[in-house]
Amino acid sequence: GAVVSQHPSWVICKSGTSVKIECRSLDFQATTMFWYRQFPKQSLMLMATSNEGSKATYEQGVEKDKFLINHASLTLSTLTVTSAHPEDSSFYICSARYMSGLAGGGYNTDTQYFGPGTRLTVL
Amino acid sequence: AQSVSQHNHHVILSEAASLELGCNYSYGGTVNLFWYVQYPGQHLQLLLKYFSGDPLVKGIKGFEAEFIKSKFSFNLRKPSVQWSDTAEYFCAVKGNQAGTALIFGKGTTLSVSS
Repeated sequence: GAVVSQHPSWVICKSGTSVKIECRSLDFQATTMFWYRQFPKQSLMLMATSNEGSKATYEQGVEKDKFLINHASLTLSTLTVTSAHPEDSSFYICSARYMSGLAGGGYNTDTQYFGPGTRLTVL
Repeated sequence: AQSVSQHNHHVILSEAASLELGCNYSYGGTVNLFWYVQYPGQHLQLLLKYFSGDPLVKGIKGFEAEFIKSKFSFNLRKPSVQWSDTAEYFCAVKGNQAGTALIFGKGTTLSVSS
C-alpha cells in the first residue's frame, strides 16, 4: 500500500515551453501532497505544499507563477513548469501524505510517501 | 531555525561491519522523525519512523533508530551491513501537527564493499 506514482519519469523540452508533471496516490487518498526539488548529490528542497481544493502554499523563494500547482482531486496533484529555462533542469519529486489513523492519545501519525521523481532537462 | 544535520557526508564500510549514521535536529515543539533511503536509480523509500512511545524504533531491512530527546538526535543503526545497503540515507523531521512538511537533512551516502 501507500504507492505514489509520477508521470513522466523524464522529460526533455526546449527553453520557453511548459511542462506538466503529474503525481498520483494510487491506493489511498491524499488531501495534501508536497513538491520537492532535488539537485545532484543534495537533499530535497521543499517547493510547495499542495492541498486538495485550495491554493498551494509556496516556500520562500519559489515563484508561484512559474511553478503552477493544481490539486484537483484527492489522488492527483500536478506541477506545471511554465516557460522553462535551463536553470529549471532538475529532479522533481512529489510526496503524498498518508494518514494511518490516530494512535493512542490522539497522536497524528501521518507519513509522506514519495513518488519516483521526474527528471526535467531544459535545452 | 528548523533544520536537520547529518554529520556524515559519505560513509564507506565493508560487508558485515556495523553502521551508525548520525542525525540531529533543531525544531521547536513535538516532532515526528523519519529515515528515508534512496537506492541508486530508485525513489525515496521510508525506512522507519518515530511518532511517540518507545524511542527505539525498528524499520525494514534490519535498520533501527533511537530517539534521544535530550540530545535532539535520531541516529540510524544496523548491526551488520550488506552490499545491497549501498544507498543515500536521509533523516527528516516534521512537527506533529497535521499536514506539516518534512525538513530533510543533506543525506549520507553509504558505500558498502563486498
